[in-house]
Amino acid sequence: ELKVEQNPLFLSMQEGKNYTIYCNYSTTSDRLYWYRQDPGKSLESLFVLLSNGAVKQEGRLMASLDTKARLSTLHITAAVHDLSATYFCAVDKEDFGNEKLTFGTGTRLTIIP
Amino acid sequence: EAGVVQSPRYKIIEKKQPVAFWCNPISGHNTLYWYLQNLGQGPELLIRYENEEAVDDSQLPKDRFSAERLKGVDSTLKIQPAELGDSAVYLCASSRRLAGGWTGELFFGEGSRLTVL
Repeated sequence: ELKVEQNPLFLSMQEGKNYTIYCNYSTTSDRLYWYRQDPGKSLESLFVLLSNGAVKQEGRLMASLDTKARLSTLHITAAVHDLSATYFCAVDKEDFGNEKLTFGTGTRLTIIP
Repeated sequence: EAGVVQSPRYKIIEKKQPVAFWCNPISGHNTLYWYLQNLGQGPELLIRYENEEAVDDSQLPKDRFSAERLKGVDSTLKIQPAELGDSAVYLCASSRRLAGGWTGELFFGEGSRLTVL
């Protein structure tokens, strides 16, 4: 059974600081996704990482994937209040012809002015 | 382009009552998912449809949950009877299968928040 673990689960950081959220998964994977969720809102797709060494950046967020280590990171540069949200990673694995997208428990990020 | 539409957004019922949720996916998306999200947790897959066919319903509690996707577009998820532990957000998502066979990223609706009293 595929397990996806994120850490930290809660993160409170000051504006302007840098930090990294980690996503570990238990078996080989085909694809990895990062999503953002604001309170009471839907999940918004941030990044899709398709191969080992993939790196994608959008604004102050950068995601990377190391399939050998089964690890993805979401790096936040010079945080601003608008980035406060819950961030989920999700791992996609082909399993006997069925694709299963398994989500981590999420990292609740709070940016303090 | 319109996103995934779900209704109702909120529903409060007493235990043992039935409830139904409706989802309209993004036009052209042949894959539709229902996810369950408990407070403070990540979404968990309940069922996945490819067009009209339920291709993965292994996580759907079939004694009380049912789903359908008639004509391969809209879908409904039903719970009958509801239990206290069913209180959660029910998320619908859709995606389009791309060249090469993989599903592509999922687009989520805003969810239906169920409270069972």
